[in-house]
Amino acid sequence: GQQLNQSPQSMFIQEGEDVSMNCTSSSIFNTWLWYKQDPGEGPVLLIALYKAGELTSNGRLTAQFGITRKDSFLNISASIPSDVGIYFCAGLTSGTYKYIFGTGTRLKVLA
Amino acid sequence: GAVVSQHPSWVICKSGTSVKIECRSLDFQATTMFWYRQFPKQSLMLMATSNEGSKATYEQGVEKDKFLINHASLTLSTLTVTSAHPEDSSFYICSAKPGTDYEQYFGPGTRLTVT
Repeated sequence: GQQLNQSPQSMFIQEGEDVSMNCTSSSIFNTWLWYKQDPGEGPVLLIALYKAGELTSNGRLTAQFGITRKDSFLNISASIPSDVGIYFCAGLTSGTYKYIFGTGTRLKVLA
Repeated sequence: GAVVSQHPSWVICKSGTSVKIECRSLDFQATTMFWYRQFPKQSLMLMATSNEGSKATYEQGVEKDKFLINHASLTLSTLTVTSAHPEDSSFYICSAKPGTDYEQYFGPGTRLTVT
């Protein structure tokens, strides 16, 4: 099935550093969502974006809906060890409730 | 709020047997639930969309006679893997969508191992 491209695929960072990741598509989406998945668990919703250009924060997390509607970005400020996990973006097109998931960004935080 | 449970959390079965996985929305009604499969170090792949009171819609390449889905109430959907084979071993995750919201809330997943 179709998947969205996420970058980077994985990253190691030092505790306290800021993290940026993105999600790109060749298609336009009307809704972007970001999820975090811990090992052996289901994804947990972090942020949902509904309008092009929208910038939304949830604590140390900030996500943006790209102006072209073909990409989205997630930033984590002042990372902590519990930020470790896999971050997935998901996109929704008009007229459907089915997600297209990204390939995931695996984050590892070094204390 | 928006809690989704799955049962069992893990199951081991023998090749040729059937396994049923339950997905429940605990604090909201979900007219639509989704079933995903996730292989190690890979993303989630949608298998089917389950609508309460109607037949499930399967994604291309997913055998509907092998993966039976029943969404008999607004809080429960079940996935039955029939005649399981080792290649069906995977992490199965359900999600539920409240009303007309766009957000899906995911269950904790069920790890199926077929021996």
